[in-house]
Amino acid sequence: GNSVTQMEGPVTLSEEAFLTINCTYTATGYPSLFWYVQYPGEGLQLLLKATKADDKGSNKGFEATYRKETTSFHLEKGSVQVSDSAVYFCALTRGEYGNKLVFGAGTILRVKS
Amino acid sequence: DVKVTQSSRYLVKRTGEKVFLECVQDMDHENMFWYRQDPGLGLRLIYFSYDVKMKEKGDIPEGYSVSREKKERFSLILESASTNQTSMYLCASSPRDRMGETQYFGPGTRLLVL
Repeated sequence: GNSVTQMEGPVTLSEEAFLTINCTYTATGYPSLFWYVQYPGEGLQLLLKATKADDKGSNKGFEATYRKETTSFHLEKGSVQVSDSAVYFCALTRGEYGNKLVFGAGTILRVKS
Repeated sequence: DVKVTQSSRYLVKRTGEKVFLECVQDMDHENMFWYRQDPGLGLRLIYFSYDVKMKEKGDIPEGYSVSREKKERFSLILESASTNQTSMYLCASSPRDRMGETQYFGPGTRLLVL
């Protein structure tokens, strides 16, 4: 079945540093890809998504490009803020009925001022 | 705004107790999901429902059951709680079957089984 691997954390950065969180996947067919974010004490919320190859999802300064040739969907941000401290999850559709997702293990990001 | 609410943020239960976790969504979504979240494991799907009274087992259904009597409400039941069910439980909903549709999550219930 479809699966996703994302880089282990925690990732600790200083404010205004460049962020990359790696995500690679294995899938049959053409899955949709997502990044979800979980702020402390909250549920997950969608950060960005891409539904076909070469699409770029973007939101709040974060970007990720759906790369079919490298089966990757790396998350990037040019200048992180303390308020970006959270857990980030990469996910993709399973290709099954019901829009079910499979999630990566999550990457903790800590941004220091 | 889509809103998914869960009945409790924190619960403490004893081993062997029957535990009910409730989830309500206000967007008339057909699909609803229960996940558990554990450090290093991400989110794992426990059960999925695609309509009233319809359900499917997810990846880790053992020790759990679900109920969906109304479209907006999806309940997770731990028939006899055990310490290995201590976890964060997340409910989500989404519209039916459009690939790439977003799932909307509740705030989670942190369950401690003693």
